[in-house]
Amino acid sequence: GAGVSQSPSNKVTEKGKDVELRCDPISGHTALYWYRQSLGQGLEFLIYFQGNSAPDKSGLPSDRFSAERTGGSVSTLTIQRTQQEDSAVYLCASTTQANTGELFFGEGSRLTVL
Amino acid sequence: QKEVEQDPGPLSVPEGAIVSLNCTYSNSAFQYFMWYRQYSRKGPELLMYTYSSGNKEDGRFTAQVDKSSKYISLFIRDSQPSDSATYLCAMTGLTGGGNKLTFGTGTQLKVEL
Repeated sequence: GAGVSQSPSNKVTEKGKDVELRCDPISGHTALYWYRQSLGQGLEFLIYFQGNSAPDKSGLPSDRFSAERTGGSVSTLTIQRTQQEDSAVYLCASTTQANTGELFFGEGSRLTVL
Repeated sequence: QKEVEQDPGPLSVPEGAIVSLNCTYSNSAFQYFMWYRQYSRKGPELLMYTYSSGNKEDGRFTAQVDKSSKYISLFIRDSQPSDSATYLCAMTGLTGGGNKLTFGTGTQLKVEL
């Protein structure tokens, strides 16, 4: 597709379950970001992948959060043992111009932890 | 204190009004400044991008950066109902956007007929 694709668009889970969120970036984009958007909190940086370099994981809030990017394309964000405070919209973005801040965002995966 | 402060609004204006949206920041290393627009249930989309201080105009939109005051603004002229959205300021440092953007919390704007 032409844009960043994220799935699922909505996910409701029970506290303690694991969830996986997927991001398909724009073809040819070497940089990929995950952000979290909570009500009234703005966008919170989670993790950044650039080509074959080691990812910048400095924004991951706990060791329950992890992310992979396979083959320099698709990325999966995994949240283990979900907690209610993990409820948020998880946004993925990609870009070719990692030095200019021009990010292209997907529509997000809305996670609700009951 | 957050690195980037932005009034969450909501801000309600009549159609045709001039809108002023603002952010302040504390990190003097920020060099690249952006405004993103986010419609409800959608991802943010880049609206304006400015490097260092100065003004940039694009149609009805003008972005201003005052690094001495650590203050950035977005002006919308002749506002339209289609401008109703949340506007997020974002910024990053000398290394460019290569790592991460720091976002404001967003200002919710409603332009009424």
